[in-house]
Amino acid sequence: AQSVTQLDSHVSVSEGTPVLLRCNYSSSYSPSLFWYVQHPNKGLQLLLKYTSAATLVKGINGFEAEFKKSETSFHLTKPSAHMSDAAEYFCVVVRSNDYKLSFGAGTTVTVRA
Amino acid sequence: DAGVIQSPRHEVTEMGQEVTLRCKPISGHNSLFWYRQTMMRGLELLIYFNNNVPIDDSGMPEDRFSAKMPNASFSTLKIQPSEPRDSAVYFCASSFGIDTQYFGPGTRLTVL
Repeated sequence: AQSVTQLDSHVSVSEGTPVLLRCNYSSSYSPSLFWYVQHPNKGLQLLLKYTSAATLVKGINGFEAEFKKSETSFHLTKPSAHMSDAAEYFCVVVRSNDYKLSFGAGTTVTVRA
Repeated sequence: DAGVIQSPRHEVTEMGQEVTLRCKPISGHNSLFWYRQTMMRGLELLIYFNNNVPIDDSGMPEDRFSAKMPNASFSTLKIQPSEPRDSAVYFCASSFGIDTQYFGPGTRLTVL
């Protein structure tokens, strides 16, 4: 079985400052990991994914995430937050060769001007 | 690419009425998923189709819910009769095999 814990339900940052969203996972098998973003009243948009290649994964809109197997973590970062980054972010894990996504509870990001 | 298309985007109906949600997956994708999102339960997988065949419907809440995929480019999720507790956002997602899932914009359902 696999599960995901997003360590912060809400993160507030000032525009232009770094963003860190924390995610820990547990999986009995080699996992694939994703970050999705959901803007208000919108669907889930794929930010980036890790599938056992490079441990540092670059995504869209300046986001990146690092897979750390020893820490079972997949934290999402962005060096400089923009107002348009205000949204809810979901960390997702899936067992390789499986289709059942396990979603974290989500982290709401607020960006202050 | 148009992405996953869902209709309607918003639906308001009265308890007891039939509701039909529609989804057009990304062209070339052969897997389709229906999810439900609520504040209390987050995102839940309702049903998974592969090559138009239902593979896993264990997440379908009860017999009031049914889903069909008559061809590779169209799927429906039907609720009959609808109840207030069915109010949620329903997402459709598609993928090629069990690769990355791409989500549609969702249908916000309100049952009064």
